[in-house]
Amino acid sequence: QVQLQESGPGLVKPSETLSLTCTVSGGSVSSGSYYWSWIRQPPGKGLEWIGYMYYSGSTNYNPSLKSRVTISVDTSKNQFSLKLSSVTAADTAVYYCAGALVAVAGTYSNWGQGTLVTVSS
Amino acid sequence: DIQMTQSPSSLSASVGDRVTITCRASQSISSYLNWYQQKPGIAPKLLIHVASSLQSGVPSRFSGSGSGTDFTLTISSLQPEDFATYYCQQSYSSPRTFGQGTKVEIK
Repeated sequence: QVQLQESGPGLVKPSETLSLTCTVSGGSVSSGSYYWSWIRQPPGKGLEWIGYMYYSGSTNYNPSLKSRVTISVDTSKNQFSLKLSSVTAADTAVYYCAGALVAVAGTYSNWGQGTLVTVSS
Repeated sequence: DIQMTQSPSSLSASVGDRVTITCRASQSISSYLNWYQQKPGIAPKLLIHVASSLQSGVPSRFSGSGSGTDFTLTISSLQPEDFATYYCQQSYSSPRTFGQGTKVEIK
């Protein structure tokens, strides 16, 4: 069973870049079985899809964030990462990494526990 | 983007009640509809995919139906552990979008 764990700073200053890493265990990021994704949830609010990356390097981002988002994979560390630039208070949220099996693309069967990122000076 | 609208936004129910939550898509999404359960401070959990397929390990009191634009999640007999927020999500196209959530509270 694939397990995911997010890590990264819990506090980011406005205008800076948010950087998070998701470590995958119980499977390989380069197996080709999953789309590796990021989803966020502002405090007390609903879920927002950020985007995904396939191990081959192909990506798909939410147009609302596309100009600021980069998702990448590090196969040597069995990790994938999120970078979100020029953050504001509106980017304060719990950030989840998630995996969607290629066979059922867009269906998130595996989730990390989530990590709260606060944007504040 | 495809907009997903859930109703109601919240409901109060008792243990043993039959509960129904609806989800409407702004355009046809065939059967590409998933349901998740989220408890406070915990990541969402996949309950149902492609509208009516129960995820492995999910109790059979949960069921889903619908196609096109209108979908339903039913809990046949509400249990104490079912008090949570439920989200629908379309996997028909990008960007993936979620409903605003339905909070099921104890009556």
